[in-house]
Amino acid sequence: EAGVTQFPSHSVIEKGQTVTLRCDPISGHDNLYWYRRVMGKEIKFLLHFVKESKQDESGMPNNRFLAERTGGTYSTLKVQPAELEDSGVYFCASSQVISLGYTFGSGTRLTVV
Amino acid sequence: SQQGEEDPQALSIQEGENATMNCSYKTSINNLQWYRQNSGRGLVHLILIRSNEREKHSGRLRVTLDTSKKSSSLLITASRAADTASYFCATSSEAAGNKLTFGGGTRVLVKP
Repeated sequence: EAGVTQFPSHSVIEKGQTVTLRCDPISGHDNLYWYRRVMGKEIKFLLHFVKESKQDESGMPNNRFLAERTGGTYSTLKVQPAELEDSGVYFCASSQVISLGYTFGSGTRLTVV
Repeated sequence: SQQGEEDPQALSIQEGENATMNCSYKTSINNLQWYRQNSGRGLVHLILIRSNEREKHSGRLRVTLDTSKKSSSLLITASRAADTASYFCATSSEAAGNKLTFGGGTRVLVKP
């Protein structure tokens, strides 16, 4: 089966601009997660979708971040406007049965200059 | 301190040697997972150990879990240069919605 796909793999944008990251989970995986690792820090949870519903968005840092998963398939994470501290690697993961672990995508490296 | 702290932060060994890294956590968990990240790439799931398990093996990997001490260890035997990567432990609990809480990671360098 195809893995979790994220794109773009890299994005360099200027402060104040908007960026949209996309994640395509493994087909049939209802659970979709976003995580990020900012420079030198731990990988942190952002939010969790079950199908198209936001199950938990407690990790979203502020209202500049908007995640959607229309139709319960792929998900997008929009940052608007981007700030310097948003730079880092954004990971997406999906799971069919949570107790069996997750499959992560390769991540999107976001650099805000 | 953060949930899922790892020790050591960095490890340098010769090819063929064993590498051991530890992870400590603070709250009750349902399972603990180890992931590997090669430079610039995504997270690869290595192994999951449930809270009622004490030890698990997968190829050259051996994971232990001590829930009384809230700690886990990952042993990589007969290391290879390709094992050079960062290794992360992550805990999960139903009470926390099954989201993963990661440690800071251990950077492992295997010298040929």
